[in-house]
This record gives sequence, C-alpha cells and structure tokens, in this order.
Amino acid sequence: GAGVSQSPSNKVTEKGKDVELRCDPISGHTALYWYRQSLGQGLEFLIYFQGNSAPDKSGLPSDRFSAERTGGSVSTLTIQRTQQEDSAVYLCASSLRVGRGGLAGVPDTQYFGPGTRLTVL
Amino acid sequence: QKEVEQNSGPLSVPEGAIASLNCTYSDRGSQSFFWYRQYSGKSPELIMFIYSNGDKEDGRFTAQLNKASQYVSLLIRDSQPSDSATYLCAVDGGATNKLIFGTGTLLAVQP
Repeated sequence: GAGVSQSPSNKVTEKGKDVELRCDPISGHTALYWYRQSLGQGLEFLIYFQGNSAPDKSGLPSDRFSAERTGGSVSTLTIQRTQQEDSAVYLCASSLRVGRGGLAGVPDTQYFGPGTRLTVL
Repeated sequence: QKEVEQNSGPLSVPEGAIASLNCTYSDRGSQSFFWYRQYSGKSPELIMFIYSNGDKEDGRFTAQLNKASQYVSLLIRDSQPSDSATYLCAVDGGATNKLIFGTGTLLAVQP
C-alpha cells in the first residue's frame, strides 16, 4: 500500500517568498503530524491534526507558519515571508489513531513521508 | 521542557558485534518509546516501540525500557554494515502523541 507522500521533494526559494508544502497521509490515518529537521538537529514537532482540526499547534515557530488539513486527508504547511533559518527538511507523519496508549495499550505509531527539503536563499 | 538525550556518536562497531544505543528522557509521565532508523538523506523509519518495562525482541533488535531510571536502549545483534545509520530515540510527548526526539546516535558498522 501507499505510504505517506510529500511534495515537492525539494524547494529552493528566495528570502521573503511564501512556500507551500504538501502532505498526503496513509489512507485511513486520522492523525497527521508535521515535524522539521534542521541540519544536525533532531526532529522538532510543529503541529498535529486530528481529522481537520489542529488541537496542538505548539511547535509552530512563528506566525509566519500555518497549516491546514482538508477532507481529513491532505495537509498543507505554509510558510510566509521565508527566512534563511527556515531552511530544513520538513517531514510529515501519519498514524492510524490517537490517544495515549492507542488501541488496547499499543502505542500509536507514526509513519513518516520522504520529506521536503526547503532551502531559502 | 521535555527532553530526550542521546550520545551523538559516532558509535563504531565491527561487523558481527552487538551495538548498544542508549537514550534517557526527562518526563516521568512518558508512556511510549520508539526507535527510528534514519539513513543519510532519508526519512526516519520505525524499527521498534516499547511501552512496558523490560525487554522486547524483534529479530536482531532488542529494545530495553527502565522507567524507574528513565532509560531506553536498543541493542542490535550481529551488526551489519547495512545497519550503519543514525538511530533516533523518540518519546511520546503527551495526549496528542506528538513525539519528542533525541538528536540521534550515528552508528557505523565496520566490515
């Protein structure tokens, strides 16, 4: 079956431009997460969706970052007025269910897409 | 601030040896623990999860969890050059199951 897909795989933009990154989760996965991985850094949580709502946006670094999800499926992460420090790999992950302990105590496992490498010149 | 700590390495082991990767976490309320493998230029790939104290084995991999010590480890038996990658430890970060990641340990298996 298809895994998580992301597009574009690479994006080079100029400082000050807006960019949109897309994520297609695994079919049937209700939970969707965005993370960011900067060079030499660990993965940093950005935002979590359950269905179309985002109950946890605590990781968004500034108001230049926003995300939406439609139809309980595709999600778009938008970065406005990009800065050089936004350069990173943006990773999307999806999981089947949410809730601490998942189903019958089995952890809710997240599966990652290939990422979008964003370079801001 | 919830934190996950890993030795960045590189951890170098000869082919066929046991590689031991360690991780500590700060939040005593954490319930689920994950090990991901990340090859250079690729996205993280789930290897194992563990949520009960003790050992969990899957093929050549064994995850160990000690909640009292807030310590998680991953053992890789019969290490192969193809195991060379960065291993990321992740801990559930609360009700939304967002993951808190360590910065990863780079493992190099020498042929």
